[in-house]
Amino acid sequence: DAGITQSPRHKVTETGTPVTLRCHQTENHRYMYWYRQDPGHGLRLIHYSYGVKDTDKGEVSDGYSVSRSKTEDFLLTLESATSSQTSVYFCAISESINRGAEQFFGPGTRLTVL
Amino acid sequence: ELKVEQNPLFLSMQEGKNYTIYCNYSTTSDRLYWYRQDPGKSLESLFVLLSNGAVKQEGRLMASLDTKARLSTLHITAAVHDLSATYFCAVANTGANSKLTFGKGITLSVRP
Repeated sequence: DAGITQSPRHKVTETGTPVTLRCHQTENHRYMYWYRQDPGHGLRLIHYSYGVKDTDKGEVSDGYSVSRSKTEDFLLTLESATSSQTSVYFCAISESINRGAEQFFGPGTRLTVL
Repeated sequence: ELKVEQNPLFLSMQEGKNYTIYCNYSTTSDRLYWYRQDPGKSLESLFVLLSNGAVKQEGRLMASLDTKARLSTLHITAAVHDLSATYFCAVANTGANSKLTFGKGITLSVRP
C-alpha cells in the first residue's frame, strides 16, 4: 500500500467552526489531491497541489482552502464549516498522471457538520 | 469541460455469468483509470490504460480503451461474489498539471 495517512479519520463538528484535515505521504510524490465523495456524485476534486506551495482549484473548491508547505503534507481547511460539507474526504497522491502514473488514495476522513 | 459517464449505475449479476460495464467520456484523452471501492473503504487501483487499444486483465476482470470512441469497457468473466463492489472509471484531463475526472461509479452486486 502507498504510504498515505489522513487525520483525523472521523470528525464531528458544528456549523461555523473551522476544520483542518491533514494528508501525509511517505512516497515523495509530487502531486497531491483532495476529493470529496457524496452519494450520487462520485468523487469530485476540491483542490490539488503540483509541488510545495503550488496549488490549484478543482471543480468544488468554494469554501475550502489548502496549503502545502512540505512535500509530504497537504492540508485542507474548511474556514467555516457548513452542513453541505458533510462528506467523506479522500486524499490522493501521484507522481505524474501526465506520464501515466497511478493515483493512490488515502483511507479517507468522514466529516459530519451538525 | 470533461464529463465522464458510467452505465449502468447499478448492476445485479448472477454468479457464473459474464457482464460488461461501460465508461464514456466527452473530450479527448488517452489515459483512463479504473478503481474498485468496497463499502466504507478507500479506492483501490485496478487498471491504468494509456493508449488507444490498450487492454489489461487481472483475474476475472478485463479492461480496454478505445480513445476514438471515447469509451472504456470493463468485462467481467464468470462473476463471483467477491467482485461485488463499486467500480469507478476516471479520465485524465489534458494539460500541464493534469488531474482525473471521475464517473459516478457502478455498483455491482453478485447474487448466487
